[in-house]
Formats: sequence, structure tokens, C-alpha cells
Amino acid sequence: QVQLQESGPGLVKPSETLSLTCSVSGGSISDYQWSWIRQPPGKGLEWIGYVYYTGSTSYNPSLKSRVTISVDTSKTQFSLSLRSVTASDTAVYYCARVGMANGLDVWGQGTTVTVSS
Amino acid sequence: DIQMTQSPSTLSASVGDRVIITCRASQSINSWLAWYQQKPGEAPKLLIYQASSLETGVPSRFSGIGSGTEFTLTISSLQPDDFATYYCQQYNIYSPWTFGQGTKVEIK
Repeated sequence: QVQLQESGPGLVKPSETLSLTCSVSGGSISDYQWSWIRQPPGKGLEWIGYVYYTGSTSYNPSLKSRVTISVDTSKTQFSLSLRSVTASDTAVYYCARVGMANGLDVWGQGTTVTVSS
Repeated sequence: DIQMTQSPSTLSASVGDRVIITCRASQSINSWLAWYQQKPGEAPKLLIYQASSLETGVPSRFSGIGSGTEFTLTISSLQPDDFATYYCQQYNIYSPWTFGQGTKVEIK
């Protein structure tokens, strides 16, 4: 079965770029959309965006100016880049697969990113 | 953007109770709605997609109904494993995706 695993730095300085990678195992990266979602401490879920295996993307308008999501099919992974971070970007970041009926049907365990100097 | 409003924000219930959570969209999303369950320290888990389709492996005590702007998630007989926070999410292809603010189901 498909499994997702997030990786990347747990601490990022303000104004720098947050970079995370999600590795896909146990299944194909093709024919699906792949998404990033975040959850600030004690708060709800926020959709960041998704990338199709072809490379086409859709982003949350509130983050669009700072976000890039890309896919590397040869490595079966996709990535998140969030520029100019502030403390409000501190959150647990999840990667997830968009199922054929568009629900987020497979999730990574999440990775905590703290923005602090 | 489409706003999703869940009610109630917190719900206190006992094992065996019937539980109903409501999600309202600020504009029509047809049936492009999913429900998730999240327990502390865990990733969300998909329960329902397309408003009423039960995800494989999810117990049949969970059900969803609705279309347009009004949706409900029902747990027919609350079990100890069901105490968690529940989120709705719209995935209208013409709009950015958004989640509801969550409904925490607590032990009464």
C-alpha cells in the first residue's frame, strides 16, 4: 500500500525558505495529485496546494505568492517550498495523496516545522 | 474563496449516542465534500468522500449526506475510538480547497 513520508528541517529562521520533501513508496506517483496541508499548533487544517504528476499546480491564494510545489517522478517524491517565512508559518506540515474521488486518502505522519531565530 | 462552517465546535456525547455534525458551504460545492477524523498527534484520516461515499475500511456507523451547501456527518452509535476532532473539506475544482474549523467530540 502507498505510504508517504515527509522530510526536511525542523527549524527555519524568519525570512528564510522552508523546504520539505514527501517520499512516496509502495505505489505509483503517476495519475494522482499530491497535496500539502499544514496545521498550526492547536488549530485547524489549512490546505497549501497540490501538484499533479504532470507538474501542473494549484495553490491556496493566501500563500500563492510564497509557495512552490513540484514533483520529481523519477524519485517518486514531491516537494514544498515556502519563502519568506514568519512565526505564523510554524505548524505541522502534512503531505497527502488526492484520491481518485478527490478526498485526501493517504497521509504522511506529518513533520513539525518551527520558525524561529 | 468558499468558506466552510462546521457546527457545533465542540460536542459532548456518551458511548452509544447518535452524533450529528453539520458543515455549511458559503456557496454550492455540489457533492465535492470530504470528512476526516483526527486524533491528537496523528494525521487526519479520510472517512467520507463525495459527501456520502464511505472510504474503504471505515466502519458503517459513519455516514454522510448532503449536496449544494448543507452537509452532515452522522455517527450512528458512538464508540470509544470515535472521540476525536472531525473536519469537513470542500474540493470544488473551480475554487481553492478549504477545511471547516473542526468539531471536537468529547466524552460526556
